[in-house]
Amino acid sequence: ETGVTQTPRHLVMGMTNKKSLKCEQHLGHNAMYWYKQSAKKPLELMFVYSLEERVENNSVPSRFSPECPNSSHLFLHLHTLQPEDSALYLCASSRASGGAGSYEQYFGPGTRLTVT
Amino acid sequence: SQELEQSPQSLIVQEGKNLTINCTSSKTLYGLYWYKQKYGEGLIFLMMLQKGGEEKSHEKITAKLDEKKQQSSLHITASQPSHAGIYLCGAYGVNYGQNFVFGPGTRLSVLP
Repeated sequence: ETGVTQTPRHLVMGMTNKKSLKCEQHLGHNAMYWYKQSAKKPLELMFVYSLEERVENNSVPSRFSPECPNSSHLFLHLHTLQPEDSALYLCASSRASGGAGSYEQYFGPGTRLTVT
Repeated sequence: SQELEQSPQSLIVQEGKNLTINCTSSKTLYGLYWYKQKYGEGLIFLMMLQKGGEEKSHEKITAKLDEKKQQSSLHITASQPSHAGIYLCGAYGVNYGQNFVFGPGTRLSVLP
């Protein structure tokens, strides 16, 4: 147990569906992250929220929409996804970084997403 | 090309053997993390290295940071089946901006 939970653990959705992934951290952190992990590709950072404000958006398609209502919760809203979006989506949290420094991130178990 | 390279890509060792995994950066390293991932699961933080020449150990795992070579190595002594998994290095810092970048991972199998 890392103190970061993700639901659901597995999700199968059609290309026209709308679904949301949820992440919750119990570590008192104030930065949260979404990553995508595809087969044979390095882990890709998608979004970063620090103190509930989005600070990074790495050219992610608009069919992925993050939401951070408070420092403990992070959502990833999905709509009209493509089969190539099938991947493991990982959430992480850390203390908020400042300047060029950073703190270790603690990861959830991931949501395995399959788009049919 | 990838900013963080790891070698080898995969490794199969007999239980009890020692092994080393390397992580090389194309940019100046400010800080480096090592994580372990079991297939299809989240990453488990192992250790963080911030200073050139720094060396840290956790149980039978030791990691070193060579800032001049922009490289880190992870060494496992007397490997056990519980060490099996994917080891990833991650880096942040001045040359990586605010991004946290990961290497592609090294898949380790330990045969009993």
